[in-house]
Formats: sequence, C-alpha cells, structure tokens
Amino acid sequence: AQSVTQPDIHITVSEGASLELRCNYSYGATPYLFWYVQSPGQGLQLLLKYFSGDTLVQGIKGFEAEFKRSQSSFNLRKPSVHWSDAAEYFCAVGVDNQGGKLIFGQGTELSVKP
Amino acid sequence: NAGVTQTPKFQVLKTGQSMTLQCAQDMNHEYMSWYRQDPGMGLRLIHYSVGAGITDQGEVPNGYNVSRSTTEDFPLRLLSAAPSQTSVYFCASSYEGRDYTFGSGTRLTVV
Repeated sequence: AQSVTQPDIHITVSEGASLELRCNYSYGATPYLFWYVQSPGQGLQLLLKYFSGDTLVQGIKGFEAEFKRSQSSFNLRKPSVHWSDAAEYFCAVGVDNQGGKLIFGQGTELSVKP
Repeated sequence: NAGVTQTPKFQVLKTGQSMTLQCAQDMNHEYMSWYRQDPGMGLRLIHYSVGAGITDQGEVPNGYNVSRSTTEDFPLRLLSAAPSQTSVYFCASSYEGRDYTFGSGTRLTVV
C-alpha cells in the first residue's frame, strides 16, 4: 500500500538557521508530491508541488524541495528560518495520479527559537 | 469567491446521533475527497469521488457514508456518531489530481 513517512515528529531550530524536513514515500511509480503547512487552528496552505521535470522545486515563503527517485524522498528545505515559520508541515503523495486521493505523512511540528 | 465551502465549522454531537457534513465546490472539479485530522496522525483519507455518481473508500471509511449526486456537492454522513469520530474534517476538490483546494474544516466533537 502507498504510504508517506515523516520521520521527525518535532524539530526545533534557531531563527536564521537552515531547515530540512524529511519525507519518504512508498509508491510504485513517480507520484505527485506536495508539501503543506498548517498553523494552529488553521487550514492547509500549499508550499510547493512536484509532478515531473526538474527535481528541485521552488515554493512560496522561500521553501524548496528536492525529489530523489533513488531514495523515494522529497525533503523540504529553507536556508534561513523565520519565527513565523513555526507551524506543522505535511508531506503528501497523490496516489495513482488520479482520483483526487492524497496520502499524508504524520506531520512534523516545527518550533523556532529566538 | 471560488473555492470549497464546508459547513458547519463547529459541531457537537451526542453519541448515537447522526449528522451530515456539507461540502460544496464551484470550480467544476471532478475529484473530491474527505479527510480527518487527528493529532499525531496527519490527515487520513475517508472517502473520495472521481465524479458524479462514483465514490470509493479511503483509508478510514468505517462509520462514514458519502454520495455524489452532483459535481458540486460531496456530503459526508455520520449515521451513528461515536466519540472516536471526534476530529477535524477537511473536504478537498482537485483538478486532475494536481491542484487541490481544501475547505476550512469542520471541528466535530462527539460526547
């Protein structure tokens, strides 16, 4: 069955430090890949997505992600974290590339130290 | 404004009661889906639909029913609510599985 793993439940970084959030997926073909961010009590905001082509994807708020087929990974990065980035981050896989089904990881909660 | 509208935003039910969570989209998307969000478990797919008259089960379908009589609407029914269904529910629509639009969510508490 398809699955998404975010190994880190909670990460704390200092403001201005770099960030990498890990995401691994299990799927037979190249899936559609997404990263979402959610602030407490809020809905989901799309950071970036990957369908095909260039494996390095740029998103909003200075985030980027790299698709590595050999590692079945789609890690999210940001070179310099701001206090406003504190939130929960979800990686998701579009299953079968049809049907509007998303399989989500468990999420990574990011805290930012001043 | 175009998007996905979920109602109600908040609901408290007693165990055994039934209710319907409403979801409507005005973007003419063929694909729609329901998710529940619980702490530490991310969002889990309940049911999904690839078009009017077609629905299928997701990861956690037990206790929920859906129907899709029109492209615009995809209601989620709880026939007999249980405390385990206390959660935040999100509806989403999608264009070709590439662009997803999520509703703002329904916070359901079952006592």
